[in-house]
Amino acid sequence: SQQGEEDPQALSIQEGENATMNCSYKTSINNLQWYRQNSGRGLVHLILIRSNEREKHSGRLRVTLDTSKKSSSLLITASRAADTASYFCAPFGGSNYKLTFGKGTLLTVNP
Amino acid sequence: KAGVTQTPRYLIKTRGQQVTLSCSPISGHRSVSWYQQTPGQGLQFLFEYFSETQRNKGNFPGRFSGRQFSNSRSEMNVSTLELGDSALYLCASSLAGVLGNGNTGELFFGEGSRLTVL
Repeated sequence: SQQGEEDPQALSIQEGENATMNCSYKTSINNLQWYRQNSGRGLVHLILIRSNEREKHSGRLRVTLDTSKKSSSLLITASRAADTASYFCAPFGGSNYKLTFGKGTLLTVNP
Repeated sequence: KAGVTQTPRYLIKTRGQQVTLSCSPISGHRSVSWYQQTPGQGLQFLFEYFSETQRNKGNFPGRFSGRQFSNSRSEMNVSTLELGDSALYLCASSLAGVLGNGNTGELFFGEGSRLTVL
């Protein structure tokens, strides 16, 4: 299965702090993607990191990828209350056309 | 460019009934995937269609079916509804074409259809 497993399941921090979420997967990948879901809404694509990249930045987001350990991390710096959401990682193997998701990390940013 | 549109957004059905959900992908996207999200099971993959053909299927009973039309719009149907079918059903579209042809697998999601089965 290409499903990613996010850790921790829940994370609660104060506004202004950094939030780090981790993802582990089991198969070889073409890329790994992170998505955000606000409560009861659709997922939104945040960032994609290819298998030959080790780190990628986008605004306040920093993603790392370690293919030898089959793991990735998402760092959100200077968190805001609006960052409160569930975050999902999705490893993409390229061998088929589906993305599967784990249970996600529920991030709560307290004002 | 309009996003992925799902209709209806909310619906209530009773056990034994059937339901049809609709999804209009982003213009130019030929792949449509469907997911079921429940508090207990999380996000589960239902199926994926490309050019009117089902390319991938998740582990759901035959009561769950789908189809895709020539304009890439997709519908999914659930027959003989059960209480456990209450969920948020999400549709996602992508540019996905031939593997290796710039296919990153990135998905664009609609806002979902919230189904409640009584």
